[in-house]
Amino acid sequence: DTGVSQDPRHKITKRGQNVTFRCDPISEHNRLYWYRQTLGQGPEFLTYFQNEAQLEKSRLLSDRFSAERPKGSFSTLEIQRTEQGDSAMYLCASSPYTGLAGVGTQYFGPGTRLTVL
Amino acid sequence: EDQVTQSPEALRLQEGESSSLNCSYTVSGLRGLFWYRQDPGKGPEFLFTLYSAGEEKEKERLKATLTKKESFLHITAPKPEDSATYLCAVLGGGGNKLTFGTGTQLKVEL
Repeated sequence: DTGVSQDPRHKITKRGQNVTFRCDPISEHNRLYWYRQTLGQGPEFLTYFQNEAQLEKSRLLSDRFSAERPKGSFSTLEIQRTEQGDSAMYLCASSPYTGLAGVGTQYFGPGTRLTVL
Repeated sequence: EDQVTQSPEALRLQEGESSSLNCSYTVSGLRGLFWYRQDPGKGPEFLFTLYSAGEEKEKERLKATLTKKESFLHITAPKPEDSATYLCAVLGGGGNKLTFGTGTQLKVEL
C-alpha cells in the first residue's frame, strides 16, 4: 500500500473562489473520512463515506461544502465561495474496517493546506 | 455533545525521563477511545484503541490506559524520536464520528 494520498498539498486562493481537493484512499478501504484541522486544534470531523454512500455530515459542513465519492474509490471535497475562515488543513482518512474498528482505526493522508486571501 | 480535554498542552522531557499525558472526556455512552500521534506537517497516525475501563495497550515505549473518566498515555524512557503531538479522540453514542482533543505537544531533548 502506498498510503492515503491527497492533491494538491497546498492551495492558495482568493476569497470568493471555488476550490476542489482530491483524496485517494488506500486500495479497497471502504470507509473514507474528511476532517478540517486548524493550528493548535485537533481534527474536526466533516463527513464520511461507506463505499459511495455519504452516511454522515457535520454541522460544520455548510451548504458551501460538498463531498463526493462517485465510484467508492477516490473522493473530492469542494468548497464554493471560499471565505478566510476556511483557511485550514483538510485531512482525508480511510479505513478497511466496518463497525467500531472502522471508526477508530483510520489511516490519514498528509492533508491539503488551504490559504484563503 | 462529546468533549475531550488534553493536558498538558505542551511537555518538554529529557531523554529517558518518563511521564504521562492526560485525556479527560465527557461523552454519552463511550464506545471507544483512540490515541493518535501527529508529526508536524503530516496527518495523524493511529496508535491505540481502548474500549472499556481498566483496559491497557502497549507499544514500544508507550502504554495507554483507560478509566471511566480519563485516559493516560504513559511514555517510558522517551527518545527524541518520540517528539510529536499526541491526540486523543472519543467515539460516543451518537453517530460514527470521532471527537478529537487539541493534543499534547511533546518534545524530548537529548
